[in-house]
Amino acid sequence: RKEVEQDPGPFNVPEGATVAFNCTYSNSASQSFFWYRQDCRKEPKLLMSVYSSGNEDGRFTAQLNRASQYISLLIRDSKLSDSATYLCVVNLWNYGGSQGNLIFGKGTKLSVKP
Amino acid sequence: GAVVSQHPSWVICKSGTSVKIECRSLDFQATTMFWYRQFPKQSLMLMATSNEGSKATYEQGVEKDKFLINHASLTLSTLTVTSAHPEDSSFYICSARAPSGTTYEQYFGPGTRLTVT
Repeated sequence: RKEVEQDPGPFNVPEGATVAFNCTYSNSASQSFFWYRQDCRKEPKLLMSVYSSGNEDGRFTAQLNRASQYISLLIRDSKLSDSATYLCVVNLWNYGGSQGNLIFGKGTKLSVKP
Repeated sequence: GAVVSQHPSWVICKSGTSVKIECRSLDFQATTMFWYRQFPKQSLMLMATSNEGSKATYEQGVEKDKFLINHASLTLSTLTVTSAHPEDSSFYICSARAPSGTTYEQYFGPGTRLTVT
């Protein structure tokens, strides 16, 4: 089983749509959770951290369910500029001897159309 | 914000040659830097963790003699791909853990696209 699994996508949505991405992780010892955004042929950039209580940043809302080992990202009123690949990332402290190791999902590609 | 640079941004080399990639933290000191590799349509995979002044810790399956990592200062880590082969062609990305912010937050360099012919 993969450590971090995401919806394969691609998600093709019109401008203004609401879109939700899901992610599950396999290691219950995961400590921290993030959503990163990666544009084509570019490095990943942190979009937001994910907290147990859920958190919101403008049009973006992230949720974490530790019991189900499930993370989600909701994008409201999607813009053309939101088109990118969204990476679900977990941190496994002291997992396999690696400190602060980030484990990346394969990502879900989002394409917002006019 | 924390800025990480990489050089070169892209490189083409012949099979059998070595390539050095530099990763610099520009506005902060990074005691820990990470090297990742990403093949097309695949997720980023951690290759090694580099701590300043000590030997790098390599992930399982990554050859330490082929991917030489040096972290001689708090702002610079280098990855040398020795005797590169076409299967080493990939997108290599470094990241650095910033001292401010959350403990686990990492900032990524822009990546180096390596093509071995």
